[in-house]
Amino acid sequence: KAGVTQTPRYLIKTRGQQVTLSCSPISGHRSVSWYQQTPGQGLQFLFEYFSETQRNKGNFPGRFSGRQFSNSRSEMNVSTLELGDSALYLCASSFHSGFSGTPQETQYFGPGTRLLVL
Amino acid sequence: AQTVTQSQPEMSVQEAETVTLSCTYDTSESDYYLFWYKQPPSRQMILVIRQEAYKQQNATENRFSVNFQKAAKSFSLKISDSQLGDAAMYFCAYRRRWSGTSGSRLTFGEGTQLTVNP
Repeated sequence: KAGVTQTPRYLIKTRGQQVTLSCSPISGHRSVSWYQQTPGQGLQFLFEYFSETQRNKGNFPGRFSGRQFSNSRSEMNVSTLELGDSALYLCASSFHSGFSGTPQETQYFGPGTRLLVL
Repeated sequence: AQTVTQSQPEMSVQEAETVTLSCTYDTSESDYYLFWYKQPPSRQMILVIRQEAYKQQNATENRFSVNFQKAAKSFSLKISDSQLGDAAMYFCAYRRRWSGTSGSRLTFGEGTQLTVNP
């Protein structure tokens, strides 16, 4: 079974631009989460999507948004880029049937997209 | 809010020796999951081991085992017979039980950089 894939792997943008990152989960996984990793702040949760609905959101400004499609693929968008948005963006997927307490709680990560804002 | 603390920014071990990485967490939940992930220089986040809070038995995966002390909110990782390929940043992570309405997120510790000396 193929793992989580993320595109693009590397991206260079300038301040003020916007960017869209893509994530394809493991086949059968319906939950997709996004994390930002920086040297100063570590790993921080951005948001989680399940069945095309945002279920959980981290403490990030409204410039950060996301969506999920019917095939469970997800995109995240960052508008009006700032220098501080330079980071590794990680996507993770996990299996949930939609009912509370399903056994598979493990999140599997993609290779990440490294974003550099100049 | 849940917090995860890794008090050892760096650790080193000789090849074939055993090393223990520490992790403590704080939560008011009774049903949750704990994970250890490793992140080698490639930056790919790889699951090492997981522990369900309702299970008293400590999880093991080949050379990796945990010491889960629920009352003390402690979750340490023991690596036996260390290999050069074990060199990486190790993250301890917490996730409360997932629900269909509110999802859940991984909360990460700051990480421990493990060096394996030949």
